[in-house]
Amino acid sequence: EAGVTQSPTHLIKTRGQQATLRCSPISGHTSVYWYQQALGLGLQFLLWYDEGEERNRGNFPPRFSGRQFPNYSSELNVNALELEDSALYLCASSLSRGAAIEEKLFFGSGTQLSVL
Amino acid sequence: GNSVTQMEGPVTLSEEAFLTINCTYTATGYPSLFWYVQYPGEGLQLLLKATKADDKGSNKGFEATYRKETTSFHLEKGSVQVSDSAVYFCALRNNAGNMLTFGGGTRLMVKP
Repeated sequence: EAGVTQSPTHLIKTRGQQATLRCSPISGHTSVYWYQQALGLGLQFLLWYDEGEERNRGNFPPRFSGRQFPNYSSELNVNALELEDSALYLCASSLSRGAAIEEKLFFGSGTQLSVL
Repeated sequence: GNSVTQMEGPVTLSEEAFLTINCTYTATGYPSLFWYVQYPGEGLQLLLKATKADDKGSNKGFEATYRKETTSFHLEKGSVQVSDSAVYFCALRNNAGNMLTFGGGTRLMVKP
């Protein structure tokens, strides 16, 4: 069974540009989560999508946005990139809420975004 | 709101040393508690979990006990190996929601 896959592995952009990051969840998983792992700041929750809908978002500005497609894959878009957006962006997937008591979150290996 | 506080790293130990990584939390209700591990170049993996007070989660020689009275979930291992070198994240999930709240992570470096 394939795990959570993210692309690209590395992305280099310049300040002011837009970045698009992609995530494919584990087959059968309908929830996708995005986290930002900035150096020294740990993991910060960004967005949660379930069944195509945005269910919750963390404390990030509106230039961080995304969507979930009918096949449950997801995109994270970051507009007007700033230097401090440089971080590892992790995607995770799980079964939809209520599907199982013992939920596990499966993480991808991340996209390393560097803003120059 | 929910929050998780971990000891700052890096923690550097010699092989076979005893490991403790402290984790305390603030949450409403009765959250589930988790430890995740991130090996170099990989995504996070669930290491262990505990869903109620006094539960002990264990896996791969690591263990942590859910202590409601001290709101803690410290990670311990009796004898670390070089292969345990990784970043460890403590996390909680409030049973009312689906999001995990993570601590800042603690980098463990084990030297031969």
